[in-house]
Amino acid sequence: EAQVTQNPRYLITVTGKKLTVTCSQNMNHEYMSWYRQDPGLGLRQIYYSMNVEVTDKGDVPEGYKVSRKEKRNFPLILESPSPNQTSLYFCASSLRQGAPNEQYFGPGTRLTVT
Amino acid sequence: AQSVAQPEDQVNVAEGNPLTVKCTYSVSGNPYLFWYVQYPNRGLQFLLKYITGDNLVKGSYGFEAEFNKSQTSFHLKKPSALVSDSALYFCAVRGYQTGANNLFFGTGTRLTVIP
Repeated sequence: EAQVTQNPRYLITVTGKKLTVTCSQNMNHEYMSWYRQDPGLGLRQIYYSMNVEVTDKGDVPEGYKVSRKEKRNFPLILESPSPNQTSLYFCASSLRQGAPNEQYFGPGTRLTVT
Repeated sequence: AQSVAQPEDQVNVAEGNPLTVKCTYSVSGNPYLFWYVQYPNRGLQFLLKYITGDNLVKGSYGFEAEFNKSQTSFHLKKPSALVSDSALYFCAVRGYQTGANNLFFGTGTRLTVIP
């Protein structure tokens, strides 16, 4: 089944404890992206990747890191999480960079930082 | 700069009545426009998109949307609402000239279909 998977689905952590949220797609998509969803703000892009080893900042990159060493994986790293990073996170992918393809979304990761 | 406005946070409609969820956009050049739906505890699901051509676009689950260039709008419509259509709906835009596939999303409209 073609899908985007994220792990974990739910995470409660404490301020300053490094964490990684994994994202993987099995559709051989070139483009991948991370968003955060907050009430009243919709989805805001954190980072995106146009292909392996090509990543760039979105609208709200502060406090986050990403890497794209393999085409299928795009992990999101929070080196020192803070309470303002409590949010619902979505990973997404689309087939070809530059083409008007729709994005496929993962199921989401709900992160709480205390 | 690209942006999307969904002027209604909440839309209520009776089952069987037509529904409209509004979206206006701002982008340089020609837009690519998308509608997504989010059910509780789920990721976003693609409904339909406008790239070029016919201004009326048909999508999944009986939804359609009309692109209006002069009004910079892309309203989502369905002739007869179902209770199962109750969800959070997002409009998104991408500029034709934008290099990356980055989408800019509206803040979402919660649709409630009343039995």
